[in-house]
Amino acid sequence: QKEVEQDPGPLSVPEGAIVSLNCTYSNSAFQYFMWYRQYSRKGPELLMYTYSSGNKEDGRFTAQVDKSSKYISLFIRDSQPSDSATYLCAVGGYQKVTFGTGTKLQVIP
Amino acid sequence: GAVVSQHPSRVICKSGTSVKIECRSLDFQATTMFWYRQFPKQSLMLMATSNEGSKATYEQGVEKDKFLINHASLTLSTLTVTSAHPEDSSFYICSAFDRNQPQHFGDGTRLSIL
Repeated sequence: QKEVEQDPGPLSVPEGAIVSLNCTYSNSAFQYFMWYRQYSRKGPELLMYTYSSGNKEDGRFTAQVDKSSKYISLFIRDSQPSDSATYLCAVGGYQKVTFGTGTKLQVIP
Repeated sequence: GAVVSQHPSRVICKSGTSVKIECRSLDFQATTMFWYRQFPKQSLMLMATSNEGSKATYEQGVEKDKFLINHASLTLSTLTVTSAHPEDSSFYICSAFDRNQPQHFGDGTRLSIL
């Protein structure tokens, strides 16, 4: 079993839709949960991070963590074409991090 | 703005050439930097952890004599791919760790060995 499982997509949605991106992880010792956005031919850009169960909101983005289910989600409201990218979940500590394979998202105008 | 700068962004060179990639933390002192490799449509694979003033720690299966890492200062780590061959062609990404935040990544270096 992989430490982090993430649906690779691709996921296509119309502009304005709510997007839900998800990951599951296997190690209950993981303490930190992060979401990165990666545009083509660029390095990952940190979007959000949290270390507790529950929701964390930042503008159109909401990160949700359920430690009991080992399940993390990223919601994007009012999706825009500029949100088209690959989204990587990452779990672990700040130093030792395990990445998901990434979900490719396309927002269609 | 970017907090980690990686240079060069693109390298094309002949087989047998050694290539050096630089990673700089711009806004903070990074005692630890990381080097990753990413294949198309795959996630990041950690190659090594670079600690300032000490030897790098390599992940299993990564040849330390092939991928030389130097972390001479708190803001600069370099990765040298020695005697590069076509199978070394990949996207190499560095990141820097500031103890108060998750890793910040550079924009990557696309290496193509002909």
